[in-house]
Amino acid sequence: QVHLVQSGGGVVQPGGSLTLSCEGSGFTFSTYGMHWVRQAPGKGLEWLTFIQYDSSDRYYSDSVRGRFTISRDNMKNMLFLQMSSLTVEDTAVYYCASRLAAAGSDAFDAWGQGTVVSVS
Amino acid sequence: EIVMTQSPATLSVSPGERATFSCRASQSINRHLAWYQQTPGQAPRLLIYGASTRATGVPDRFSGSGSGTEFTLTISGLQSEDVAVYYCQQYDKWPPISFGQGTRLAIK
Repeated sequence: QVHLVQSGGGVVQPGGSLTLSCEGSGFTFSTYGMHWVRQAPGKGLEWLTFIQYDSSDRYYSDSVRGRFTISRDNMKNMLFLQMSSLTVEDTAVYYCASRLAAAGSDAFDAWGQGTVVSVS
Repeated sequence: EIVMTQSPATLSVSPGERATFSCRASQSINRHLAWYQQTPGQAPRLLIYGASTRATGVPDRFSGSGSGTEFTLTISGLQSEDVAVYYCQQYDKWPPISFGQGTRLAIK
């Protein structure tokens, strides 16, 4: 069974840094691209960043480019999001996500449970 | 950047009736559209991709249609467990991937 288990959220002061983690299991992690998506309190979903299965490509939204860095360790089935220069606008639930079975699409059929980041 | 606009913001439907959600893209996205269901405190759940293909395990009372810039999600025979917020997402031209702002479904 597919699992994406997240860790690393918490409370951080403005200007601070935080790293989120996402561990994949139940599938061949090293063959799938991975995304991070966030949801501010009471708001909708916002795509943040993507990393190719072999780390050859990375894309970022304008809102986080230059402040957030996505990375992965395929040997450990781990995905990371390093966040720096955090502001109150970064307060949100952060999800890792991927397209595993929805063939021919970039729809997210696998999601982590979400981790809360609070900047205050 | 492609902007996704959902309507209405809130939908109130009686049990057993049909719920219809709309999603419009600011430019053609072919059929590269997905629908998600999100209940409070939970991660989103993929319902539909490719505009009309149901994801694994999704009941057939959920259906999607449309292409280009206009898309529809329909829930037939509404059940109380369907109360949620529904989002559309385009993946035709990215980055960035973009989501609609969501439609909240309530039971009358």
